[in-house]
Amino acid sequence: DGGITQSPKYLFRKEGQNVTLSCEQNLNHDAMYWYRQDPGQGLRLIYYSQIVNDFQKGDIAEGYSVSREKKESFPLTVTSAQKNPTAFYLCASSTASGTSAIWAYNEQFFGPGTRLTVL
Amino acid sequence: GESVGLHLPTLSVQEGDNSIINCAYSNSASDYFIWYKQESGKGPQFIIDIRSNMDKRQGQRVTVLLNKTVKHLSLQIAATQPGDSAVYFCAENYSSASKIIFGSGTRLSIRP
Repeated sequence: DGGITQSPKYLFRKEGQNVTLSCEQNLNHDAMYWYRQDPGQGLRLIYYSQIVNDFQKGDIAEGYSVSREKKESFPLTVTSAQKNPTAFYLCASSTASGTSAIWAYNEQFFGPGTRLTVL
Repeated sequence: GESVGLHLPTLSVQEGDNSIINCAYSNSASDYFIWYKQESGKGPQFIIDIRSNMDKRQGQRVTVLLNKTVKHLSLQIAATQPGDSAVYFCAENYSSASKIIFGSGTRLSIRP
């Protein structure tokens, strides 16, 4: 999976609990991303980070939080405020360069995903 | 076999035939397009990309065609094999938004 690992592969959460999904990459990529995928649908961007200690909201950031304390790591916390958290979560990374428009031209490498189920 | 845009989620083709997966994009400002392949339970894998200054790009057994006039993108897979079974996503870069937008995907199934 291109040097990106996500853990765990399957995660179960009780309603009202926060849960943190791990994403680690050893590709020396500056940019990292979190996507959510629902059955039969495409990927929707939750958060992204182009550099350590900086991150931006994507299209569906409500109910999620992230941190980027290290270049290699970009953990995602699914909070109790996320009303429908059951989904497949995908982490990706890419090189980042220059302007905010240019970074999107770099191929994104995806991890194997974490399937979160709320019980 | 050929699919029409992202509204036909499944494409079934005979093994050995060529597959054509189509994608219609909406933003005329999009200037970079990518095709990804996602096997069941796995993350997407990059297949091929194309920039808006090109209308065709070829890879190993795959060709991407871009028609900016009608905002249409297609992925052609030659001599489809069982290992090609997957969901294929097109994605576009909105220059103004500086992010990649993914389509809902087309499932390709191979008949023996």
